[in-house]
Amino acid sequence: QQQVKQSPQSLIVQKGGISIINCAYENTAFDYFPWYQQFPGKGPALLIAIRPDVSEKKEGRFTISFNKSAKQFSLHIMDSQPGDSATYFCAASNSNTGKLIFGQGTTLQVKP
Amino acid sequence: KAGVTQTPRYLIKTRGQQVTLSCSPISGHRSVSWYQQTPGQGLQFLFEYFSETQRNKGNFPGRFSGRQFSNSRSEMNVSTLELGDSALYLCASSLQLAGDPNEQFFGPGTRLTVL
Repeated sequence: QQQVKQSPQSLIVQKGGISIINCAYENTAFDYFPWYQQFPGKGPALLIAIRPDVSEKKEGRFTISFNKSAKQFSLHIMDSQPGDSATYFCAASNSNTGKLIFGQGTTLQVKP
Repeated sequence: KAGVTQTPRYLIKTRGQQVTLSCSPISGHRSVSWYQQTPGQGLQFLFEYFSETQRNKGNFPGRFSGRQFSNSRSEMNVSTLELGDSALYLCASSLQLAGDPNEQFFGPGTRLTVL
């Protein structure tokens, strides 16, 4: 019930392409779904987040799509750049707590 | 505004020892959460402190403990260290106003190596 499943584990995309990472959750009490980006040697950085009352949120080249009935959400990175090469984590929580449940992470490599 | 700071950044200990890690949250943030990151288990929630009280706890043994001070700074302690405790320990702070999303901002982490 507490798991968040993330796929794929790794992803290679050409520069300018679209990177898509998917996550699925089980606990219907979750009401906050952030994505984090982590570079080697750094802590995770909040990238973009969504609440279940909207189906899509866009910030620059990053878009979250949210499907409440399927309990799935995904991150789309448009016009992927080599600087986007990092590990991406989806997460879920009940906004009343400070407990984030993370997916296993996706290592993205954007080839020039 | 300064971000979340964690000290020390690196630690090397031997089995059986204990260790204390420190976290200073973003100014004004009242909630501090701790996570353990390992290649095998990923990011796992340890505990959360809010207004000096532990509000949530993850599935870790009692060797892992923490506390929060009146200025919101937090410490976590691991006693009787085991080899498997080698990990990156991350602290995250959030404002945690009622009804607001749980936006957590992470520090750079403390890399603990247990020999």
